[in-house]
Amino acid sequence: AQTVTQSQPEMSVQEAETVTLSCTYDTSESDYYLFWYKQPPSRQMILVIRQEAYKQQNATENRFSVNFQKAAKSFSLKISDSQLGDAAMYFCAYNGGATNKLIFGTGTLLAVQP
Amino acid sequence: EAQVTQNPRYLITVTGKKLTVTCSQNMNHEYMSWYRQDPGLGLRQIYYSMNVEVTDKGDVPEGYKVSRKEKRNFPLILESPSPNQTSLYFCASSLFGALYTTDTQYFGPGTRLTVL
Repeated sequence: AQTVTQSQPEMSVQEAETVTLSCTYDTSESDYYLFWYKQPPSRQMILVIRQEAYKQQNATENRFSVNFQKAAKSFSLKISDSQLGDAAMYFCAYNGGATNKLIFGTGTLLAVQP
Repeated sequence: EAQVTQNPRYLITVTGKKLTVTCSQNMNHEYMSWYRQDPGLGLRQIYYSMNVEVTDKGDVPEGYKVSRKEKRNFPLILESPSPNQTSLYFCASSLFGALYTTDTQYFGPGTRLTVL
Protein backbone atom coordinates (compact mmCIF):
# COMPACT_ATOMS: atom_id res chain seq x y z
CA ALA A 1 0.00 0.00 0.00
CA GLN A 2 1.14 3.51 -0.69
CA THR A 3 2.21 5.66 2.22
CA VAL A 4 3.27 9.27 2.65
CA THR A 5 5.58 10.41 5.44
CA GLN A 6 6.21 13.94 6.65
CA SER A 7 8.88 13.71 9.32
CA GLN A 8 8.78 17.34 10.43
CA PRO A 9 5.70 18.01 12.59
CA GLU A 10 6.66 21.68 12.98
CA MET A 11 8.98 24.09 11.24
CA SER A 12 9.79 27.76 11.72
CA VAL A 13 11.23 30.32 9.33
CA GLN A 14 12.04 34.00 9.46
CA GLU A 15 10.14 36.31 7.16
CA ALA A 16 11.92 36.68 3.77
CA GLU A 17 13.99 33.55 4.37
CA THR A 18 13.75 30.18 2.61
CA VAL A 19 12.41 26.99 4.14
CA THR A 20 12.18 23.42 2.87
CA LEU A 21 9.52 20.96 3.97
CA SER A 22 10.26 17.27 3.56
CA CYS A 23 8.08 14.47 2.25
CA THR A 24 8.83 10.89 1.36
CA TYR A 25 6.47 8.32 -0.07
CA ASP A 26 6.35 4.66 -0.82
CA THR A 27 4.80 3.16 -3.93
CA SER A 28 5.34 0.46 -6.49
CA GLU A 29 3.56 2.46 -9.18
CA SER A 30 5.54 4.15 -11.93
CA ASP A 31 2.93 6.74 -12.90
CA TYR A 32 1.49 9.00 -10.23
CA TYR A 33 1.02 12.56 -9.10
CA LEU A 34 2.29 14.33 -6.01
CA PHE A 35 0.78 17.41 -4.41
CA TRP A 36 1.39 19.94 -1.70
CA TYR A 37 -1.71 21.42 -0.08
CA LYS A 38 -1.74 24.36 2.31
CA GLN A 39 -4.22 24.57 5.18
CA PRO A 40 -4.28 28.00 6.83
CA PRO A 41 -6.16 28.67 10.08
CA SER A 42 -9.37 28.98 8.04
CA ARG A 43 -8.98 25.18 7.47
CA GLN A 44 -9.50 25.53 3.72
CA MET A 45 -7.38 23.06 1.73
CA ILE A 46 -5.54 25.04 -0.93
CA LEU A 47 -3.52 23.44 -3.70
CA VAL A 48 0.02 24.82 -3.69
CA ILE A 49 1.76 22.78 -6.35
CA ARG A 50 1.60 19.47 -8.16
CA GLN A 51 4.17 17.25 -9.83
CA GLU A 52 3.59 14.53 -12.40
CA ALA A 53 5.98 11.62 -11.84
CA TYR A 54 6.73 11.23 -15.54
CA LYS A 55 8.08 14.77 -15.72
CA GLN A 56 11.74 15.15 -14.86
CA GLN A 57 11.50 18.90 -14.46
CA ASN A 58 10.65 20.11 -11.00
CA ALA A 59 7.40 22.06 -10.72
CA THR A 60 7.44 25.71 -9.68
CA GLU A 61 4.70 28.16 -8.80
CA ASN A 62 6.00 31.62 -8.03
CA ARG A 63 7.80 31.38 -4.66
CA PHE A 64 7.02 27.67 -4.31
CA SER A 65 9.10 24.95 -5.90
CA VAL A 66 9.64 21.26 -5.39
CA ASN A 67 12.63 18.97 -5.41
CA PHE A 68 11.30 15.72 -6.84
CA GLN A 69 13.65 12.76 -6.56
CA LYS A 70 11.79 9.82 -8.07
CA ALA A 71 14.37 7.15 -7.33
CA ALA A 72 14.62 8.25 -3.72
CA LYS A 73 10.83 8.71 -3.49
CA SER A 74 11.30 12.16 -2.08
CA PHE A 75 9.20 15.26 -2.74
CA SER A 76 10.23 18.35 -0.79
CA LEU A 77 8.65 21.79 -0.95
CA LYS A 78 10.78 24.92 -0.95
CA ILE A 79 9.23 28.24 -0.04
CA SER A 80 11.37 31.23 -0.96
CA ASP A 81 11.02 34.75 0.44
CA SER A 82 8.68 33.49 3.15
CA GLN A 83 5.75 35.72 4.00
CA LEU A 84 3.55 35.90 7.08
CA GLY A 85 0.67 34.56 5.01
CA ASP A 86 2.61 31.36 4.38
CA ALA A 87 2.05 30.30 7.98
CA ALA A 88 -0.13 27.20 7.77
CA MET A 89 -0.22 23.44 7.94
CA TYR A 90 1.25 21.90 4.80
CA PHE A 91 0.22 18.46 3.61
CA CYS A 92 2.03 16.32 1.12
CA ALA A 93 -0.25 14.00 -0.86
CA TYR A 94 0.15 11.14 -3.30
CA ASN A 95 -2.30 10.07 -6.00
CA GLY A 96 -1.50 7.11 -8.18
CA GLY A 97 -3.94 4.31 -7.79
CA ALA A 98 -6.95 3.23 -9.78
CA THR A 99 -9.44 5.31 -7.84
CA ASN A 100 -7.96 8.83 -7.82
CA LYS A 101 -7.62 8.59 -4.04
CA LEU A 102 -5.36 11.11 -2.35
CA ILE A 103 -3.10 9.67 0.34
CA PHE A 104 -1.96 12.33 2.75
CA GLY A 105 0.94 12.72 5.09
CA THR A 106 0.34 13.90 8.64
CA GLY A 107 1.29 17.49 7.89
CA THR A 108 3.97 20.03 8.82
CA LEU A 109 2.95 23.12 10.74
CA LEU A 110 4.93 26.09 9.44
CA ALA A 111 5.37 29.21 11.55
CA VAL A 112 6.70 32.41 9.99
CA GLN A 113 8.47 34.76 12.38
CA PRO A 114 8.41 38.51 11.62
CA GLU B 1 -16.99 31.28 -9.42
CA ALA B 2 -15.86 27.68 -9.69
CA GLN B 3 -16.14 26.10 -6.29
CA VAL B 4 -17.07 23.23 -4.03
CA THR B 5 -19.55 24.15 -1.31
CA GLN B 6 -20.42 22.30 1.86
CA ASN B 7 -23.19 22.79 4.36
CA PRO B 8 -23.31 23.16 7.23
CA ARG B 9 -19.86 24.50 8.06
CA TYR B 10 -20.27 23.70 11.75
CA LEU B 11 -22.52 21.16 13.40
CA ILE B 12 -22.92 19.97 16.96
CA THR B 13 -25.21 17.00 17.41
CA VAL B 14 -25.91 14.13 19.76
CA THR B 15 -25.24 10.43 19.44
CA GLY B 16 -27.73 8.63 17.23
CA LYS B 17 -29.36 11.64 15.57
CA LYS B 18 -29.19 11.20 11.80
CA LEU B 19 -27.54 14.00 9.87
CA THR B 20 -26.57 14.89 6.34
CA VAL B 21 -23.69 17.07 5.19
CA THR B 22 -24.27 18.39 1.71
CA CYS B 23 -21.63 18.89 -0.95
CA SER B 24 -22.12 20.59 -4.29
CA GLN B 25 -19.75 21.55 -7.12
CA ASN B 26 -20.41 23.80 -10.09
CA MET B 27 -17.50 22.69 -12.28
CA ASN B 28 -19.19 19.72 -14.00
CA HIS B 29 -16.68 17.41 -12.35
CA GLU B 30 -17.18 13.68 -12.67
CA TYR B 31 -15.26 12.65 -9.55
CA MET B 32 -16.29 13.54 -6.03
CA SER B 33 -14.95 12.34 -2.71
CA TRP B 34 -15.29 12.71 1.04
CA TYR B 35 -12.35 12.86 3.45
CA ARG B 36 -12.11 13.22 7.17
CA GLN B 37 -9.26 14.99 8.93
CA ASP B 38 -8.14 14.00 12.40
CA PRO B 39 -5.13 15.32 14.35
CA GLY B 40 -1.97 13.35 13.65
CA LEU B 41 -3.64 11.30 10.91
CA GLY B 42 -3.86 13.69 7.99
CA LEU B 43 -6.88 13.25 5.72
CA ARG B 44 -8.38 9.87 4.98
CA GLN B 45 -10.88 9.02 2.27
CA ILE B 46 -14.35 7.93 3.36
CA TYR B 47 -16.20 7.40 0.06
CA TYR B 48 -15.77 8.40 -3.52
CA SER B 49 -17.85 8.58 -6.67
CA MET B 50 -16.55 8.36 -10.21
CA ASN B 51 -19.82 9.48 -11.75
CA VAL B 52 -23.56 9.61 -11.24
CA GLU B 53 -24.89 6.50 -9.49
CA VAL B 54 -21.33 5.14 -9.08
CA THR B 55 -20.01 5.19 -5.52
CA ASP B 56 -17.48 3.10 -3.62
CA LYS B 57 -15.81 2.83 -0.24
CA GLY B 58 -12.59 4.56 0.65
CA ASP B 59 -10.37 3.73 3.60
CA VAL B 60 -12.73 4.60 6.48
CA PRO B 61 -16.33 4.04 5.31
CA GLU B 62 -17.81 2.55 8.50
CA GLY B 63 -20.73 4.57 9.82
CA TYR B 64 -21.18 6.63 6.66
CA LYS B 65 -23.38 6.51 3.57
CA VAL B 66 -23.31 8.52 0.37
CA SER B 67 -25.38 8.94 -2.74
CA ARG B 68 -24.77 10.46 -6.16
CA LYS B 69 -28.10 11.04 -7.86
CA GLU B 70 -26.93 14.15 -9.66
CA LYS B 71 -23.52 15.03 -11.01
CA ARG B 72 -23.13 18.17 -8.92
CA ASN B 73 -24.19 16.79 -5.51
CA PHE B 74 -22.59 14.22 -3.23
CA PRO B 75 -24.12 14.24 0.26
CA LEU B 76 -22.54 12.46 3.22
CA ILE B 77 -25.02 10.75 5.53
CA LEU B 78 -24.42 9.67 9.10
CA GLU B 79 -27.36 7.43 10.01
CA SER B 80 -26.43 7.08 13.68
CA PRO B 81 -23.53 9.37 14.55
CA SER B 82 -21.17 8.41 17.34
CA PRO B 83 -18.52 10.46 19.20
CA ASN B 84 -15.70 8.83 17.20
CA GLN B 85 -17.11 10.54 14.11
CA THR B 86 -16.26 13.93 15.59
CA SER B 87 -13.94 15.30 12.94
CA LEU B 88 -13.34 17.85 10.19
CA TYR B 89 -14.92 16.69 6.94
CA PHE B 90 -13.93 17.73 3.43
CA CYS B 91 -15.65 17.19 0.15
CA ALA B 92 -13.47 17.28 -2.96
CA SER B 93 -14.01 17.03 -6.69
CA SER B 94 -11.96 16.59 -9.83
CA LEU B 95 -12.71 16.69 -13.51
CA PHE B 96 -12.18 13.08 -14.52
CA GLY B 97 -13.68 10.00 -13.01
CA ALA B 98 -12.32 7.10 -15.02
CA LEU B 99 -10.24 4.36 -13.49
CA TYR B 100 -6.53 5.09 -13.44
CA THR B 101 -7.19 8.70 -14.30
CA THR B 102 -5.41 10.94 -11.85
CA ASP B 103 -6.48 14.52 -11.60
CA THR B 104 -6.14 17.45 -9.23
CA GLN B 105 -8.79 17.51 -6.52
CA TYR B 106 -10.34 20.76 -5.33
CA PHE B 107 -11.66 20.93 -1.82
CA GLY B 108 -14.68 22.46 -0.18
CA PRO B 109 -14.31 24.68 2.91
CA GLY B 110 -14.76 21.86 5.40
CA THR B 111 -17.45 20.92 7.94
CA ARG B 112 -16.56 20.75 11.60
CA LEU B 113 -18.73 18.05 13.18
CA THR B 114 -18.96 17.41 16.90
CA VAL B 115 -20.95 14.42 18.16
CA LEU B 116 -21.73 14.52 21.88
